[in-house]
Amino acid sequence: NAGVMQNPRHLVRRRGQEARLRCSPMKGHSHVYWYRQLPEEGLKFMVYLQKENIIDESGMPKERFSAEFPKEGPSILRIQQVVRGDSAAYFCASSAQDNSPLHFGNGTRLTVT
Amino acid sequence: RKEVEQDPGPFNVPEGATVAFNCTYSNSASQSFFWYRQDCRKEPKLLMSVYSSGNEDGRFTAQLNRASQYISLLIRDSKLSDSATYLCVVSGSSNTGKLIFGQGTTLQVKP
Repeated sequence: NAGVMQNPRHLVRRRGQEARLRCSPMKGHSHVYWYRQLPEEGLKFMVYLQKENIIDESGMPKERFSAEFPKEGPSILRIQQVVRGDSAAYFCASSAQDNSPLHFGNGTRLTVT
Repeated sequence: RKEVEQDPGPFNVPEGATVAFNCTYSNSASQSFFWYRQDCRKEPKLLMSVYSSGNEDGRFTAQLNRASQYISLLIRDSKLSDSATYLCVVSGSSNTGKLIFGQGTTLQVKP
């Protein structure tokens, strides 16, 4: 009965490189959310996806960030040309339906050097 | 105005104390409310949902006041293990199912 799986747990990238963060939702969950947490700050909503659809991306920076949740495979959060300010914990969560509680993965801690 | 606001604290209380956190939200149409707990550098975990009539789970009691647009969490007989950050969560202003997290209230229970 696996929960939300995120990988990698830790990711180090140099400025200008690309970061790819993966998230497999809980079995039976078709809603995936990505949140970002900067050090000493709260969780900030980034994007909400269902299979093959972006439902709400109001929290995504307009440039360099993209997300997908293909029909097969995990959801991917992609950050191109990373900068130091992208260093944060990125949490993925899933739910079975709208407004249901979210179940979180362990997060990916991105460090940009 | 932030969509969800919490007093960040920290709240420092002795073991056995009763402590209450409040959270206000801006969207009167919000339908879903939760309290989550987050331990340092770990993922948030669902503590309890909040229902209109109020609900209790052991030492924890959650209440919702729709008229004043706030929710509360009461912890009785605090334990050292209750030390964590408590996150208020409210459904967002759109109809997309997005949940908005407050910045969290930090609780430190001391022996």
